[in-house]
Amino acid sequence: NAGVTQTPKFQVLKTGQSMTLQCAQDMNHEYMSWYRQDPGMGLRLIHYSVGAGITDQGEVPNGYNVSRSTTEDFPLRLLSAAPSQTSVYFCASSWGEVTEAFFGQGTRLTVV
Amino acid sequence: KNEVEQSPQNLTAQEGEFITINCSYSVGISALHWLQQHPGGGIVSLFMLSSGKKKHGRLIATINIQEKHSSLHITASHPRDSAVYICAVLPTSGTYKYIFGTGTRLKVLA
Repeated sequence: NAGVTQTPKFQVLKTGQSMTLQCAQDMNHEYMSWYRQDPGMGLRLIHYSVGAGITDQGEVPNGYNVSRSTTEDFPLRLLSAAPSQTSVYFCASSWGEVTEAFFGQGTRLTVV
Repeated sequence: KNEVEQSPQNLTAQEGEFITINCSYSVGISALHWLQQHPGGGIVSLFMLSSGKKKHGRLIATINIQEKHSSLHITASHPRDSAVYICAVLPTSGTYKYIFGTGTRLKVLA
């Protein structure tokens, strides 16, 4: 099993560009989440999904969109990148609400 | 004040020492996770707790729901244990919104 796969691992964007961070899991997990990690701060929840077709906002959703058309995939879209979105992004999945979580390897995004 | 506080923020230990990392939280929770993150690396789940104590190898995690406190212990520490350890809680709010501590940076010297 590949677990949780994030692509790309590194990305540099110019202000105003758009892009999609990909997240895929092959464990048939219902719950998936996107987090951002910034220096000196804990991981912060951007968006999450509790199943295909169901998404909700987390703590810092502004500037990001998500969709969950399949159980396996949970892409994160940056509509118009801003320097404040420079961060490391992690995708995570779990089978249930109170079960072990599995994280991807992260995407380091720089917006210039 | 953060809803999840970890202490210490930084910890340096000699190889072989017994290490304790603490996590205190201020909300009612359904579960608490301990995570490990190596420098430049991904995040790995070590434990998920909702009560009591769990042990895996040299790692032990405990939780006291009444006191809203959890500890992660590392026995016979080794340089490969050097990492950031993160506490995360799932509040009993009915939504899947984890809250994370800022992490404890552990360095174990040989």
